[in-house]
Amino acid sequence: DTGVSQDPRHKITKRGQNVTFRCDPISEHNRLYWYRQTLGQGPEFLTYFQNEAQLEKSRLLSDRFSAERPKGSFSTLEIQRTEQGDSAMYLCASSSGTGDEQYFGPGTRLTVT
Amino acid sequence: DQQVKQNSPSLSVQEGRISILNCDYTNSMFDYFLWYKKYPAEGPTFLISISSIKDKNEDGRFTVFLNKSAKHLSLHIVPSQPGDSAVYFCAASYNAGNMLTFGGGTRLMVKP
Repeated sequence: DTGVSQDPRHKITKRGQNVTFRCDPISEHNRLYWYRQTLGQGPEFLTYFQNEAQLEKSRLLSDRFSAERPKGSFSTLEIQRTEQGDSAMYLCASSSGTGDEQYFGPGTRLTVT
Repeated sequence: DQQVKQNSPSLSVQEGRISILNCDYTNSMFDYFLWYKKYPAEGPTFLISISSIKDKNEDGRFTVFLNKSAKHLSLHIVPSQPGDSAVYFCAASYNAGNMLTFGGGTRLMVKP
């Protein structure tokens, strides 16, 4: 199966630490998206890439958040100086760009203690 | 400002009956609408979509209806099965490939 994969699936960290998540999209999908979902809410858009270019960033993405997709394949999302409010499910999705369907990975659940 | 709203947090139906999940939106720029299903500890799974140039799209047991004048869409599941029990999210976008804006979700419970 060549669906979207994310690593790690779970991350527990102490407040103030840095964390990095990885997303591997479906092969040959040129668009990659990051969303965040908190309990009882729908996913909220954070940022997206077309190939290696970061095309849009949400105002939710504070200066502590940075995302990269250096070779247009996998992507990383880093959160610096984590805060308890960063606790959430971080979802990655990809699409071919020819349609609007985005296919999601299983997510990385972050818990900041 | 919530641009996509799902006003029913939960819905319970009997197996074999119809499930109707509703979604309202406020942004007239949205031109593509999608429904996703989500099980616990998994990412959302794409179900069905509809373009704003259509008012109905059908795929097996799933049908999505779009009423642009009312800025309302609905997902019909017929017949409902216990395996359909999950949280359903509607989402909207404008211009192909752009970010999705999600509603808050509706938890569907299908009782045997």
